[in-house]
Amino acid sequence: QKEVEQNSGPLSVPEGAIASLNCTYSDRGSQSFFWYRQYSGKSPELIMFIYSNGDKEDGRFTAQLNKASQYVSLLIRDSQPSDSATYLCAVNIGNAGNMLTFGGGTRLMVKP
Amino acid sequence: ETGVTQTPRHLVMGMTNKKSLKCEQHLGHNAMYWYKQSAKKPLELMFVYSLEERVENNSVPSRFSPECPNSSHLFLHLHTLQPEDSALYLCASSQGPYGGRTDTQYFGPGTRLTVL
Repeated sequence: QKEVEQNSGPLSVPEGAIASLNCTYSDRGSQSFFWYRQYSGKSPELIMFIYSNGDKEDGRFTAQLNKASQYVSLLIRDSQPSDSATYLCAVNIGNAGNMLTFGGGTRLMVKP
Repeated sequence: ETGVTQTPRHLVMGMTNKKSLKCEQHLGHNAMYWYKQSAKKPLELMFVYSLEERVENNSVPSRFSPECPNSSHLFLHLHTLQPEDSALYLCASSQGPYGGRTDTQYFGPGTRLTVL
């Protein structure tokens, strides 16, 4: 069974700190990795994706991918209370339909 | 309208009712998806349509019936549901086979379904 694992949290960080969210996946054939943010009662919204080993930066967000360790992470710099949400990791294993397998999400709380 | 829209946003139905959820995408995409999100469970993929053909049916009970009349519209027909089917039902769309490994799914706002 192809799995995507995330710590459910909550992860609590003070305002202005770096939040580090982690995700592991089981399928070595996974090709691309997505981070979504979901506020309570709302639908997931895309933050960014990554498919090459290393870091990818977009504003305050950095995605890190290590395929050898089957590990992808999301760093949020200068965390703000408005970043408090559930962060979903999703993996595309490259099958027909470009389907995504989602992790259970990590709930992040940024305290003022 | 922009992005992905879903109607209705909230639905309460009895176990003997028949209802339909509607999704429409305005992004020119070629693939559409239905997901179920229950409390404290990961997003569960229900159905995938790519170029209007059903690609995946993830062992979903027959009381859920999808319909994709064209690349912009997706329906989920519901009948004789159970209380455990109460959940947030999300529709998403993407470029599908033309998106490659960076194919990105964009979600609608969801329909909050309550089955009494």
